[in-house]
Amino acid sequence: GQQVMQIPQYQHVQEGEDFTTYCNSSTTLSNIQWYKQRPGGHPVFLIQLVKSGEVKKQKRLTFQFGEAKKNSSLHITATQTTDVGTYFCAGTAGGTSYGKLTFGQGTILTVHP
Amino acid sequence: ETGVTQTPRHLVMGMTNKKSLKCEQHLGHNAMYWYKQSAKKPLELMFVYSLEERVENNSVPSRFSPECPNSSHLFLHLHTLQPEDSALYLCASSQDAGRPYEQYFGPGTRLTVT
Repeated sequence: GQQVMQIPQYQHVQEGEDFTTYCNSSTTLSNIQWYKQRPGGHPVFLIQLVKSGEVKKQKRLTFQFGEAKKNSSLHITATQTTDVGTYFCAGTAGGTSYGKLTFGQGTILTVHP
Repeated sequence: ETGVTQTPRHLVMGMTNKKSLKCEQHLGHNAMYWYKQSAKKPLELMFVYSLEERVENNSVPSRFSPECPNSSHLFLHLHTLQPEDSALYLCASSQDAGRPYEQYFGPGTRLTVT
């Protein structure tokens, strides 16, 4: 079955440093979504990428979808303590008839002030 | 507040008990989902409902029995669970199951099986 791998599993940064998490799928994806889960909270949707090579920005967050639509990345510039949480990528395999998401295991980000 | 509520928030049950988890969405969505989130494992999709019809059963053991009486409500009936079933159970909804719309998650039910 489809697998989505995410690295690193953990990332500790000093406030102000940059952070990147990478997502790789075993199969070509029709789309990829990113979610953030704060400690003790639930996943919250951040963004969806659909097109090959697509790049989207949300303030300090930059999301990329690979040309082959099998990988994606999330980059945070100048992290803040409010960025703490687990970041998940979730993809839908090409040809899937409905929105079945396969989640990566997530990257846990801690930010030291 | 995401518009998706879940009750109870915490549940402790023995292996011989029967309990139910409830989810309600106030977003007018047509699709609802159950996920299992265990420590150090990815979110696992359990069931997908589209307009009250189950469209996905992701190889979930029969001790988990979903019910979707209408597009706003989703239940997960539990019976004879195992300790390894202890996890956070998340409900989610989306506009439609026919396309990969963003999913809105509820706060989850933290289940402990003793």
